[in-house]
Amino acid sequence: DTGVSQDPRHKITKRGQNVTFRCDPISEHNRLYWYRQTLGQGPEFLTYFQNEAQLEKSRLLSDRFSAERPKGSFSTLEIQRTEQGDSAMYLCASSLGPTDTQYFGPGTRLTVL
Amino acid sequence: RKEVEQDPGPFNVPEGATVAFNCTYSNSASQSFFWYRQDCRKEPKLLMSVYSSGNEDGRFTAQLNRASQYISLLIRDSKLSDSATYLCVVPRSGSGAGSYQLTFGKGTKLSVIP
Repeated sequence: DTGVSQDPRHKITKRGQNVTFRCDPISEHNRLYWYRQTLGQGPEFLTYFQNEAQLEKSRLLSDRFSAERPKGSFSTLEIQRTEQGDSAMYLCASSLGPTDTQYFGPGTRLTVL
Repeated sequence: RKEVEQDPGPFNVPEGATVAFNCTYSNSASQSFFWYRQDCRKEPKLLMSVYSSGNEDGRFTAQLNRASQYISLLIRDSKLSDSATYLCVVPRSGSGAGSYQLTFGKGTKLSVIP
């Protein structure tokens, strides 16, 4: 499978714990995006990378959230001190260039108890 | 006006029916638009791109009205497999040079009934 992959697919955690998600984009895709989707809503932009550089962060991305793409390939999204409001589907997408089609991964569904 | 606003739905239609969804957007500078399809508990997938006045792909037709700032998606001869949520998507430039991000509507749920 040469699509975008995400791990884990599901994560249940207790409030206050830290969680980390991984995204592997399509090979050679320079752009990598993170979105968050809650029930009944469309995905909301969180942040994006051009190769290893994180170029923009949404105001939705509080200080508890951090994302990295250390070698310009896979990316991680960490949430520290999780809150119940963090419960959502976290989607990763990648594209070849800035305005090329974004292909989404299957998402990581986070449930904070 | 919200950045991207869609028909609330849900739409429940019989097989073979024609159904249309509307979407309005606020950024008059937007040049391209997309319809994504999202199946239940799955990721969004690109259905159609709209760059000029419209686009047609088989049973699906997307139309763009720049003056009124709305996009529509028409599905003819609905199939059971068309049941999904349809997301209207408008790209926008962010704060940095080369920034490009997608703004999604809330989506319209379609159920095609046998």
